[in-house]
Amino acid sequence: EAGVAQSPRYKIIEKRQSVAFWCNPISGHATLYWYQQILGQGPKLLIQFQNNGVVDDSQLPKDRFSAERLKGVDSTLKIQPAKLEDSAVYLCASKKNINTGELFFGEGSRLTVL
Amino acid sequence: DQQVKQNSPSLSVQEGRISILNCDYTNSMFDYFLWYKKYPAEGPTFLISISSIKDKNEDGRFTVFLNKSAKHLSLHIVPSQPGDSAVYFCAARQGGSEKLVFGKGTKLTVNP
Repeated sequence: EAGVAQSPRYKIIEKRQSVAFWCNPISGHATLYWYQQILGQGPKLLIQFQNNGVVDDSQLPKDRFSAERLKGVDSTLKIQPAKLEDSAVYLCASKKNINTGELFFGEGSRLTVL
Repeated sequence: DQQVKQNSPSLSVQEGRISILNCDYTNSMFDYFLWYKKYPAEGPTFLISISSIKDKNEDGRFTVFLNKSAKHLSLHIVPSQPGDSAVYFCAARQGGSEKLVFGKGTKLTVNP
């Protein structure tokens, strides 16, 4: 079974530029998450999708971050314009059943904002 | 407001010995706890979990203990192996929510 796929693995941009990350969850997983992990911190939830609907985006900085999961499968996370403090690893995770706590994570996309 | 705390940033143990990683939480509404392991340049991988109705869960060399009255859980690895060297994250889920709250992680180094 293929795992959670993310791209690009690494991205370097200058502040005020835009960037987009892509995620393809494990086949059949209805729930998809985007987490932000800043160096030295644990992952922090940005947004949760159930199929193509948003369940929780309370910690998403909506003035600059957006995410979509149009067909209920893959998802994109966009940052525009980027700030220095957005430098982090962006982790995508998926889960099959809503009643289990186990998330399957992708390898992450490391963003460096200069 | 850090609801899940891992107060030891790092831990070093000798191969074959026991590794004990600790985690404290403040939210009494958490009902499910998980441990994730993370190698460099990889995403976290699920290790073991425990429901709040239990006080112990064991899976091979890994055992998680939960002390609800103290709001404390620990992960025991026995015997420790060099391949266990990684960052370990404690995570908790509040009942009725799908959101996991993670601690900052503890870097475990197992020396041969």
